[in-house]
Amino acid sequence: KAGVTQTPRYLIKTRGQQVTLSCSPISGHRSVSWYQQTPGQGLQFLFEYFSETQRNKGNFPGRFSGRQFSNSRSEMNVSTLELGDSALYLCASSIQGTGGIYEQYFGPGTRLTVT
Amino acid sequence: DAKTTQPNSMESNEEEPVHLPCNHSTISGTDYIHWYRQLPSQGPEYVIHGLTSNVNNRMASLAIAEDRKSSTLILHRATLRDAAVYYCILSLGEWADKLIFGTGTRLQVFP
Repeated sequence: KAGVTQTPRYLIKTRGQQVTLSCSPISGHRSVSWYQQTPGQGLQFLFEYFSETQRNKGNFPGRFSGRQFSNSRSEMNVSTLELGDSALYLCASSIQGTGGIYEQYFGPGTRLTVT
Repeated sequence: DAKTTQPNSMESNEEEPVHLPCNHSTISGTDYIHWYRQLPSQGPEYVIHGLTSNVNNRMASLAIAEDRKSSTLILHRATLRDAAVYYCILSLGEWADKLIFGTGTRLQVFP
């Protein structure tokens, strides 16, 4: 089975621009979560989508948004980029199992650099 | 949100057992304990999870204290490939769809 794929792997943007990152989950997985990883703040939860609906949201400003398509693929968008948005953005997909507990499978991430 | 406390770093020699501790004194009755690890330049990967009873899988064992206020991830024979940052995470209730990562424990394995 193919793993979680994220595109692009690397991205350089300028302050004020916007960016869209893409995530393709493992086939059959309907939940997609996004995380931001920085040296200072570590791994932080952004949001989670399930069946095209945002089910959970972390504490990030409204500049960070996402969506999920009917094929479970997900995109996240960051508008009006700031230098502090430079980070590794990780996507994870998961499948619900009995008892509601399931493991998350992470992609390799997209390294975003804002200059 | 229930929080976890882990040592910043630990060291081990190859082929020795490693016990990675985690304190979670504010855990609630429905919180599951999850362990993930992140190898260098990779996304995190699932290791193991449990609720009350000790758990074993091909990667590791999870020992959960009787009062559930602490747990220990056990790697039975450390390899160089086990060098990673290990995160102990509590799920928020039943669903593990929102992982709140702490700072984790950086494990170094020496040959």
